[in-house]
Amino acid sequence: DAGVIQSPRHEVTEMGQEVTLRCKPISGHDYLFWYRQTMMRGLELLIYFNNNVPIDDSGMPEDRFSAKMPNASFSTLKIQPSEPRDSAVYFCASSFNLEQFFGPGTRLTVL
Amino acid sequence: AQKITQTQPGMFVQEKEAVTLDCTYDTSDQSYGLFWYKQPSSGEMIFLIYQGSYDEQNATEGRYSLNFQKARKSANLVISASQLGDSAMYFCAMREGSGANSKLTFGKGITLSVRP
Repeated sequence: DAGVIQSPRHEVTEMGQEVTLRCKPISGHDYLFWYRQTMMRGLELLIYFNNNVPIDDSGMPEDRFSAKMPNASFSTLKIQPSEPRDSAVYFCASSFNLEQFFGPGTRLTVL
Repeated sequence: AQKITQTQPGMFVQEKEAVTLDCTYDTSDQSYGLFWYKQPSSGEMIFLIYQGSYDEQNATEGRYSLNFQKARKSANLVISASQLGDSAMYFCAMREGSGANSKLTFGKGITLSVRP
């Protein structure tokens, strides 16, 4: 099993640009989670899906952030336009029962 | 109020000794779960151990055990026979409720350094 796959692993962009982060969950998992980790705020849940349907997006910071899950094997988190304060590590995780399996994360730097 | 509290400053332990990492939680749910994750310097999040609120026995996974004290709402992680590779950030997390509500709330984490 390849585990949760995220791409890109690193992204450096300029303020105002659109950023798209991608995630492939573990096959058979029906929950998918997007987290953001910063030194100041720790690990925060942004949004999660169950069977491709968004269940709770209360953690999404603002309208600049959007997430989609068009099918069971793919999800995207988009930031448009990006700002320097969006710089963080973004994790995707998937689960079937109790344990959440995390991807390696995408380190985003917005200049 | 914070749902998960990890207040210890950076922890240090001598190799081969045991160490306890503290975690307290706050919930009004009767059904909940408590998790510990390890994040080494490479950045990945590694699941270590899980304790359900109705589990009567403390969870154990190899060198990891969870000291679950329900009345005190604490779920401390005990690492026995520390190894240099245990140096990392450790996060306590809680899942409230059951079924469809599977989101985790994480604490701020504790840094553990194992000295040779």
